[in-house]
Amino acid sequence: QVQLVESGGGVVQPGRSLRLSCAASGFTFSSYGMQWVRQAPGKGLEWVAVISYHGSNTYYEDSVKGRFTISRDNSKNTLYLQMNSLRVEDTAVYYCAKRPSGKSWYGDYWGQGTLVSVPS
Amino acid sequence: TVMTQSPATLSVSPGERATLSCRASQSVGSNLAWYQQKSGQAPRLLIYDVSSRATGIPARFSGSGSGTEFTLTISSLQSEDFAIYYCQQYYNWPTSGQGTRLENK
Repeated sequence: QVQLVESGGGVVQPGRSLRLSCAASGFTFSSYGMQWVRQAPGKGLEWVAVISYHGSNTYYEDSVKGRFTISRDNSKNTLYLQMNSLRVEDTAVYYCAKRPSGKSWYGDYWGQGTLVSVPS
Repeated sequence: TVMTQSPATLSVSPGERATLSCRASQSVGSNLAWYQQKSGQAPRLLIYDVSSRATGIPARFSGSGSGTEFTLTISSLQSEDFAIYYCQQYYNWPTSGQGTRLENK
C-alpha cells in the first residue's frame, strides 16, 4: 500500500532554514510527480511546490518562489523541501502528496504531515 | 482561481442527504477534486475530475458540475462521514476552498 512519511518539521526562528523529507513506499516512486501542500491552522489547503517524476520540472507558489526548493532522490524514494528565509506566515502543517499518473495536479495519496512553526 | 465553498457549516442527521457546494471564480473545466479531512488527519481524496470516485470510496459519495459550479453529494450520511470537506481546482495553479464542516445535527 502507498505510504508517505514526512519528517523534518519543528520550531524555527524567522529568517532561518529547514529541510523537510518525505519517504515514499508502496509504489514506483520514480514514475510519479509529487507535491508539497501546506495547511495553516484552521485554513484550507495551499499548494506550495510541485515536481515532475524525473525531477527536471519544478513549480512554485508565488509566495515561496526564490525561498523554497523542491527536489527528489529517486534512488532513495525520497522527496525534499528546502525552506530558506522562513517567515511567520510559513507556519503550517506540510504534507507531501503523490500526484496521479498523467498531468493532473491533485493528490491521490497523502502523508500525515509535519508541523513547521515560525514564531513571531 | 478563488474557490468558494458553501455553507461553511452544514448540520445533517445520519441517514439524510448532504449537499455541499463549491464555486470557482473562473471556469476550471472538469479539473475539480474533493477531499475529506478528519481532525488531526491528512486529507483523503474522494472525487477527481468532478465525478470520478477515488479508489475505495463508497458509492454514497458523488460529484457533479462543470465550469464554475460544483456539488458533492453524500446520499445517506454515515457516522464516519462527519468531517471537513474541501474542493480543489487543478485547471491552473492548484487552489482549494476554505472547507465545509459537516456536523451531526
